[in-house]
Amino acid sequence: EPEVTQTPSHQVTQMGQEVILRCVPISNHLYFYWYRQILGQKVEFLVSFYNNEISEKSEIFDDQFSVERPDGSNFTLKIRSTKLEDSAMYFCASSEFRGRDEKLFFGSGTQLSVL
Amino acid sequence: GENVEQHPSTLSVQEGDSAVIKCTYSDSASNYFPWYKQELGKGPQLIIDIRSNVGEKKDQRIAVTLNKTAKHFSLHITETQPEDSAVYFCAVLSGGSQGNLIFGKGTKLSVKP
Repeated sequence: EPEVTQTPSHQVTQMGQEVILRCVPISNHLYFYWYRQILGQKVEFLVSFYNNEISEKSEIFDDQFSVERPDGSNFTLKIRSTKLEDSAMYFCASSEFRGRDEKLFFGSGTQLSVL
Repeated sequence: GENVEQHPSTLSVQEGDSAVIKCTYSDSASNYFPWYKQELGKGPQLIIDIRSNVGEKKDQRIAVTLNKTAKHFSLHITETQPEDSAVYFCAVLSGGSQGNLIFGKGTKLSVKP
C-alpha cells in the first residue's frame, strides 16, 4: 500500500539552527501538507501546498517556516532559526484530490527536539 | 474559526464491548469529517470519514454518524479488540478550506483483554 515517508524520524538541533524536514508524498498525490503535534496535544495544521505554491497557512507558519518541492518527489519543511517551542512531532500529509474527495494520508512523522 | 471538541479524553472498555467517541464542531459550513487512529510512534491513520450529505457510514466494526443540525458526529467501534487500543482523533474540514483539518484533542482508547 502506498504511504507517505518522512526522514529523519528524529532530529535534534540547537536553538537558532536551521533544520530541514523531508517528506516523500504518495506518488500520484498533488496536494501536500505539514502538520505538527506538540507532546500530548492535538495535531495542528501548518500549511498546504499545491502546484508549487502555498495554498493556505496557519498563524503558526510564520516567516521562520518555508516549504519547497525541490524535485518531483520530495516535499520539505524548513525552519530557519529554531526555537525551543518548535519542539514537536511534524507530520507530512498528502492527498490526491481536494474539496469533496479530499482524504489526507499522513506519514509517521519527524520528532524534532530543539535544545 | 472552527472549534472542535472531543469527548471523552480517555476510554477504557473490555474486549468485545462497544466504544463510542463524540465530537462537536462550531462551523455549520464544515463538510468533511474524518476519524484518525494514531498508534504509538506513528502518524494518524485515516480509518473512516463522512461527508455532510450523509448521516451514517459503516465499515465492518467501525461506524460514524453525523448530525448536521446539532453539529456533532460520533465514532462507534463494536466488538472491540486489544489492537483497537490507540488514540483516536476526530477532525473537521471547514468549508472552503484547503486541507486545513481542525483536530479534536484525541481519545485514548484502551481495550482490556
